[in-house]
Amino acid sequence: GENVEQHPSTLSVQEGDSAVIKCTYSDSASNYFPWYKQELGKRPQLIIDIRSNVGEKKDQRIAVTLNKTAKHFSLHITETQPEDSAVYFCAASISGSQGNLIFGKGTKLSVKP
Amino acid sequence: IAGITQAPTSQILAAGRRMTLRCTQDMRHNAMYWYRQDLGLGLRLIHYSNTAGTTGKGEVPDGYSVSRANTDDFPLTLASAVPSQTSVYFCASSPQGLSTGELFFGEGSRLTVL
Repeated sequence: GENVEQHPSTLSVQEGDSAVIKCTYSDSASNYFPWYKQELGKRPQLIIDIRSNVGEKKDQRIAVTLNKTAKHFSLHITETQPEDSAVYFCAASISGSQGNLIFGKGTKLSVKP
Repeated sequence: IAGITQAPTSQILAAGRRMTLRCTQDMRHNAMYWYRQDLGLGLRLIHYSNTAGTTGKGEVPDGYSVSRANTDDFPLTLASAVPSQTSVYFCASSPQGLSTGELFFGEGSRLTVL
């Protein structure tokens, strides 16, 4: 079955620096890759997603890249701010499961002012 | 706009007791899900329902059951709670199947089984 590996598990950056979180997946038929942000004590919320027919998607300071051949995708946050501090989860769709997702184990991002 | 509501927000439960976590959405979403979140393990799917009247098993279904009598409600039942079911439980919904996009999560229910 599908497996999603996420790295690193923790990431600390200085305010203004960039942060990159990487995920790999095992099912070559996966076609949907969302990223969720979860602030402390809050619910996860979608911040960006990408489908397998595109290689990159950008939304202001956030971008996601997808390499289907290598089966990995990454989240890039530029000009980080303290409010970017949260746990970030990647996910990949499971083929043949009516669209269900497998989540990575999460990356705790800390942005130091 | 309420979105998706879970109850209770927190509960301490003795092992062996039966417990139902409630989930209601007012967005008329077809698909609903239950996830558990454990430290270091991320979000794992317990059960899902793509439309009223149908349910399916996720990654970790053992010890849990669900029902989907109507579009709005998707309760999760622990028939006989065990300490390993101590977790934060999130209900979620999406307009159709996940292949179409965003999951909307509830605020979570923190369950402690002693």
